[in-house]
Amino acid sequence: EAQVTQNPRYLITVTGKKLTVTCSQNMNHEYMSWYRQDPGLGLRQIYYSMNVEVTDKGDVPEGYKVSRKEKRNFPLILESPSPNQTSLYFCASSFGTGGNEQFFGPGTRLTVL
Amino acid sequence: GQQLNQSPQSMFIQEGEDVSMNCTSSSIFNTWLWYKQDPGEGPVLLIALYKAGELTSNGRLTAQFGITRKDSFLNISASIPSDVGIYFCAGQPGGIQGAQKLVFGQGTRLTINP
Repeated sequence: EAQVTQNPRYLITVTGKKLTVTCSQNMNHEYMSWYRQDPGLGLRQIYYSMNVEVTDKGDVPEGYKVSRKEKRNFPLILESPSPNQTSLYFCASSFGTGGNEQFFGPGTRLTVL
Repeated sequence: GQQLNQSPQSMFIQEGEDVSMNCTSSSIFNTWLWYKQDPGEGPVLLIALYKAGELTSNGRLTAQFGITRKDSFLNISASIPSDVGIYFCAGQPGGIQGAQKLVFGQGTRLTINP
């Protein structure tokens, strides 16, 4: 089944404790992206990747890091999480560019205390 | 960056009613997409529009790509309980940088009274 998977689905952590949210897709998509969803703000792009070893900042990259060492995986890293990073996070992927239909993962709800 | 203004932010309707929502921008967009998000899940694509003026249907859903390339609307006819959720518009901005991203609206939360 074609899908985007994220882990964990739920995470509660404390300020300053490094964490990684994994994302994997099995559709051989070139483009992958991370978004955060906050009430009233819709989906805002954090980072994206056009292909392996090619990443760039989205609209809200502060406090986040990403890597794209393999085509299928695109982990999101929070080196020192803060409470304002409490949010619902989505990974997405698409063929070619980000302007094509993006397929979304199920989401990761993160709470930083 | 580019912004999409989606309205209304929320809608409370009776089952069977028609629904209309729209997105506008001050910038030109090359592609318009409409997504639906069910509770606890990621957004799923409903309709994709690739050409100015294009009108596309998917069952009870109809969407149009505005002729100015700065707006789009989504209509749902004869709403049913499973239409409940959050609807997002998304657009691919024009220009070289635009090809690398989608910009999302704030979402329209649809609630249906049976």
